[in-house]
Amino acid sequence: SSELTQDPAVSVALGQTVRITCQGDSLRSYYASWYQQKPGQAPVLVIYGKNNRPSGIPDRFSGSSSGNTASLTITGAQAEDEADYYCNSRDSSGNHLYVFGTGTKVTVL
Amino acid sequence: EVQLVESGGGLVQPGGSLRLSCAASGFTFSSYSMNWVRQAPGKGLEWVSYISSSSSTIYYADSVKGRFTISRDNAKNSLYLQMNSLRAEDTAVYYCAREDIVVVPAAISYWFDPWGQGTLVTVSS
Repeated sequence: SSELTQDPAVSVALGQTVRITCQGDSLRSYYASWYQQKPGQAPVLVIYGKNNRPSGIPDRFSGSSSGNTASLTITGAQAEDEADYYCNSRDSSGNHLYVFGTGTKVTVL
Repeated sequence: EVQLVESGGGLVQPGGSLRLSCAASGFTFSSYSMNWVRQAPGKGLEWVSYISSSSSTIYYADSVKGRFTISRDNAKNSLYLQMNSLRAEDTAVYYCAREDIVVVPAAISYWFDPWGQGTLVTVSS
């Protein structure tokens, strides 16, 4: 299967930790990348590779991977972290070149 | 500053055509593969098409294969998406995105960065 599955929505109290997961067969072959998207804005890369952050991304964002599951963790969530988050990877099934996750809406309470 | 700027979106009737452009600046455009990604209103991200740095390799999502054509002009630092036989379900914001890659032992990482601001395509009569 070429799907990447994410929980539709999660909530986190201000300053607490939240983990967003992404599951799919392609993740056994490729690292996921993670994107943050706020309303009306383009997606922004927050994590790529094993656990790399682009410059300008706070270190409260981290990534990990095990088997067919990739995770994005926000440690000490801030109000500005409220957004949609998407995982992405190359598609190992051969159906498409790339596949995006279904997206997770993160609400900071 | 590394930047991508899309243009060419608009309202088009079903069955019509539109050509999107993406102007790149701040990096060596000819060294990077590029992609188009779209997002229907209220929906998630959908990868649309890929073109390698030299245009030698091209891929399409099944949903647009045979109707859309990706191309690039490295001399003009520009990426294009020719969209024909447009359908209502093609209504979306279209983003161009640069692909980056790193190869380390036993692992290859791919990612999209940066993204353009997007251009809205509306297919409606």
